[in-house]
Amino acid sequence: EAQVTQNPRYLITVTGKKLTVTCSQNMNHEYMSWYRQDPGLGLRQIYYSMNVEVTDKGDVPEGYKVSRKEKRNFPLILESPSPNQTSLYFCASRPLGGAPGEQYFGPGTRLTVT
Amino acid sequence: QQQVKQSPQSLIVQKGGISIINCAYENTAFDYFPWYQQFPGKGPALLIAIRPDVSEKKEGRFTISFNKSAKQFSLHIMDSQPGDSATYFCAASIAGGTSYGKLTFGQGTILTVHP
Repeated sequence: EAQVTQNPRYLITVTGKKLTVTCSQNMNHEYMSWYRQDPGLGLRQIYYSMNVEVTDKGDVPEGYKVSRKEKRNFPLILESPSPNQTSLYFCASRPLGGAPGEQYFGPGTRLTVT
Repeated sequence: QQQVKQSPQSLIVQKGGISIINCAYENTAFDYFPWYQQFPGKGPALLIAIRPDVSEKKEGRFTISFNKSAKQFSLHIMDSQPGDSATYFCAASIAGGTSYGKLTFGQGTILTVHP
């Protein structure tokens, strides 16, 4: 089954404790991205990647890091989480030649930083 | 600033009624306008999309109306059903160029369809 998986689905952590949210896709997609969803703000892109070792900032990259060492994986790293990073996070992927909207979204990771 | 503005924030419709969600954009370079449907606990899923060379696109009960001069587009859900209850997001993108199709989303609309 074609899918994007994220782990963990739920995470409660404390300020400053480094964490990683994993994202994996099995569709051989080149383009992967991370979004955060906040009430009243919709989804905002954090980082995106065109392919292995190619990443770039989205609209709200501050406080986040990413890496793309393998085509299928695109982890999101919070080196020192803060309460304002409490949010619902989505990973998405699509083929580079596909329409921009044809993104496959993961199920989401709900992060709470206390 | 929010480049795509979506309204209303929430909408309650009776079964069989018409649901209408509106979006307005600022960047005239946008040339691809998708709508997403999101159920609780799930990621958004592409529902329908339109390019600015047409004024309307219909897929089943879902229709996008597009007004290029007004920089507005809307989603109409005909014969709304309780199963349509979800959060809907509009988005806009520049299909080519250096942004590689980055999506800019509206704020979202929570639709509730009463039986």
